[in-house]
Amino acid sequence: EVQLVESGGVVVQPGGSLRLSCAASGFTFDDYTMHWVRQAPGKGLEWVSLITWEGKSTYYAHSVKGRFTISRDNSKNSLYLQMNSLTTEDTALYYCAKDSGKGFGRSFDYWGQGTLVTVSS
Amino acid sequence: QSVLTQPPSASATPGQGVTISCSGSSSNIGSNTVNWYQQLPGTAPKLLIYSNNQRPSGVPDRFSGSKSGTSASLAISGLQSEDETDYYCAAWDDSLNGWVFGGGTKLTVL
Repeated sequence: EVQLVESGGVVVQPGGSLRLSCAASGFTFDDYTMHWVRQAPGKGLEWVSLITWEGKSTYYAHSVKGRFTISRDNSKNSLYLQMNSLTTEDTALYYCAKDSGKGFGRSFDYWGQGTLVTVSS
Repeated sequence: QSVLTQPPSASATPGQGVTISCSGSSSNIGSNTVNWYQQLPGTAPKLLIYSNNQRPSGVPDRFSGSKSGTSASLAISGLQSEDETDYYCAAWDDSLNGWVFGGGTKLTVL
């Protein structure tokens, strides 16, 4: 059974930094592209970033480019999101999602339950 | 303002059918496949339709997808009360080099 478990979400002050983690199990982690998708309270889904299976290619939404860094450790079946220069606009539930393929993405076929990041003074 | 445009709401009565539209452009829907996600209240999204019209295992055949040009549609037939939730379309955008979502459609089963 595919499982994705996010962690690391907390309350952080504007301008602060945070690192989210996603522990994956139930599938061959290094065979798939992985994503972060976020959802602000009461709002829709917003794709944040993806990293290809071997970690060589990364893509970011314009809203986070230059501030967020996605990475993965295939030896630990883990996905990460380093978030810097946080603003209140980054307040959201952050989902880790598995892609159904290896490239820049086919579909998000499994999702974690999310970890909540709140940026507030 | 979402890159893909969905109606914010839709409604129909139990047993009826409903169609939810998703409008994009040549850089996203016009040149890439469309996926649809269902998000029940308080839960993570679930893949409902991929590659325009393919259903993952376990998704009832009451759900179907289609695409024409720069628009896509999700059709739900034989509506049930449990279908009352939020639906999102998504596609890769070649200009933005990223995934884009529609703003979501809240379906009400009257």
